[in-house]
Amino acid sequence: QKEVEQNSGPLSVPEGAIASLNCTYSDRGSQSFFWYRQYSGKSPELIMSIYSNGDKEDGRFTAQLNKASQYVSLLIRDSQPSDSATYLCAVNKGPLRTGGFKTIFGAGTRLFVKA
Amino acid sequence: DARVTQTPRHKVTEMGQEVTMRCQPILGHNTVFWYRQTMMQGLELLAYFRNRAPLDDSGMPKDRFSAEMPDATLATLKIQPSEPRDSAVYFCASGLVPGSGYGYTFGSGTRLTVV
Repeated sequence: QKEVEQNSGPLSVPEGAIASLNCTYSDRGSQSFFWYRQYSGKSPELIMSIYSNGDKEDGRFTAQLNKASQYVSLLIRDSQPSDSATYLCAVNKGPLRTGGFKTIFGAGTRLFVKA
Repeated sequence: DARVTQTPRHKVTEMGQEVTMRCQPILGHNTVFWYRQTMMQGLELLAYFRNRAPLDDSGMPKDRFSAEMPDATLATLKIQPSEPRDSAVYFCASGLVPGSGYGYTFGSGTRLTVV
């Protein structure tokens, strides 16, 4: 079992719809969760972080966390063609024996928003 | 706009040659990660530094890879000797971390091709 699992997609939604991206993780002790967006040929960029159960909203993006189910999701409202990218779920695992935490990424979900 | 700088952007080398990749983290960031990204494996964590000290390099093939931070403004990743299976995009990321709760800023990556 991978430490962070995502459906690879592609997920295709029409412009203006809600895109729902899901992620599960294996380490029940994980405390911090992130969503990164990666355009083709570019580097990942952080778009959301969430640490507590429930919802966190930032503009058109809402991150949802359910630690009991070990589940994180990202909702994108009013999807735009410019949202077409790969979305990477990331989880901080630790603390390490040497201290600190390390960030493990899922394989990513490709999202296509059709105009 | 603060950014993580990686050099070179592209590198083509012959099998058996030494490859050195460099990263300048954002000034003031105390945490540096090296990741490798391939289509098959996604983003794999290779090494992780906090305040220039290595905290985890369990994901790095030790026989040929080495990672160092000679000072706070420079992180290096070396491969010696390089092999075709090392072909990938290598990303450096930096962040300011106490605890586990922060995301990171990625550099533009070094695209390595070993022929």
